[in-house]
Amino acid sequence: SQQGEEDPQALSIQEGENATMNCSYKTSINNLQWYRQNSGRGLVHLILIRSNEREKHSGRLRVTLDTSKKSSSLLITASRAADTASYFCATAAPLSSGSARQLTFGSGTQLTVLP
Amino acid sequence: ETGVTQSPTHLIKTRGQQVTLRCSSQSGHNTVSWYQQALGQGPQFIFQYYREEENGRGNFPPRFSGLQFPNYSSELNVNALELDDSALYLCASSLARQGGNTGELFFGEGSRLTVL
Repeated sequence: SQQGEEDPQALSIQEGENATMNCSYKTSINNLQWYRQNSGRGLVHLILIRSNEREKHSGRLRVTLDTSKKSSSLLITASRAADTASYFCATAAPLSSGSARQLTFGSGTQLTVLP
Repeated sequence: ETGVTQSPTHLIKTRGQQVTLRCSSQSGHNTVSWYQQALGQGPQFIFQYYREEENGRGNFPPRFSGLQFPNYSSELNVNALELDDSALYLCASSLARQGGNTGELFFGEGSRLTVL
């Protein structure tokens, strides 16, 4: 079953604009990760944020985490055509849960950056 | 490039057949996880192997089985294939501490299985 839900399902922007994707989840987490997937290919890890962190940056990426609202957002600044891909959030459950070994993925946001 | 390689990249089977998918982990990684990704969906966890033993399993029936070898490479076997097994199968490796949380996963490019 999908733990996270990304919003929006699809997003189309112009090159140079910022893209914001949101993720909501249902149960307690140890960490939340964002991955990128080009069409039909493997997933690439972008960033990991732990449950005790609120914000993290990596290059043009900014991730926030609000554990009280069980939500996260991924901001891509100054987008490029090469950023066109599907973006997934994935949660890792705490060790105390029965599912700590897996990442639970959302259904993804399809981002299209128009040149 | 993550260093995780999967084979074959594409294959077609008929209902009722059996399939074996292979994965070579990134050097130094001791944990392999397998995920199934249906078209338009996020990946779903099948199982994980740590030091050659199954270390966690998702909501998949027993006809999905796996192996991890001493060199940490892995196989996913699916018996009695069904039409709904058509999907992209992704292998991911990581370096895990025993009892540690799931951190960053390094994915291969996947094996696209079509069941007719």
